[in-house]
Amino acid sequence: GQNIDQPTEMTATEGAIVQINCTYQTSGFNGLFWYQQHAGEAPTFLSYNVLDGLEEKGRFSSFLSRSKGYSYLLLKELQMKDSASYLCAVLDSNYQLIWGAGTKLIIKP
Amino acid sequence: GAVVSQHPSWVICKSGTSVKIECRSLDFQATTMFWYRQFPKQSLMLMATSNEGSKATYEQGVEKDKFLINHASLTLSTLTVTSAHPEDSSFYICSASGTSSYNEQFFGPGTRLTVL
Repeated sequence: GQNIDQPTEMTATEGAIVQINCTYQTSGFNGLFWYQQHAGEAPTFLSYNVLDGLEEKGRFSSFLSRSKGYSYLLLKELQMKDSASYLCAVLDSNYQLIWGAGTKLIIKP
Repeated sequence: GAVVSQHPSWVICKSGTSVKIECRSLDFQATTMFWYRQFPKQSLMLMATSNEGSKATYEQGVEKDKFLINHASLTLSTLTVTSAHPEDSSFYICSASGTSSYNEQFFGPGTRLTVL
């Protein structure tokens, strides 16, 4: 079966750095997405990785290792507004998005 | 670019009535639209995938006669919840893809349905 694992909840301090991990086992791979979802709102796109390595976009970076079936989202200089759920999703061989359950990130002052 | 709208944002209805939710891609042509539902504190659950002009493909466990999906044009898809019951109360989110080579999905703002 297809499976995406990410921690259920993480807590970090304002101004710090946090890394949210995601591991996957899917039938085929056509890329991995990270989305941010605030409570009561729809997800918003953060990043897309299809090749191994690190993609940096401002305070957010995303890393992919296809051989390990592993990705992480790195958030730097955390702000209170970063409190949200972060969803990892993999595009499988049928170009269907397989969603993780999401990681709820709590930022404390 | 790549804006998706949903209407209504929230709806309250009586048990047994039908509710229609619209999803529109405002500035691009969406070859594929997706309908999700999300219960509190849970992840997105894909209900169905629809391509313009063809019948929707429903996920296992989703009743196609209860959740009617129509994708009549490249910019509009509708989800009708027929004979709604309280257990259908949920957050319904649509997304659309079609502009990028890697099939990025652009999400609408969601519709919160409450069935009394």
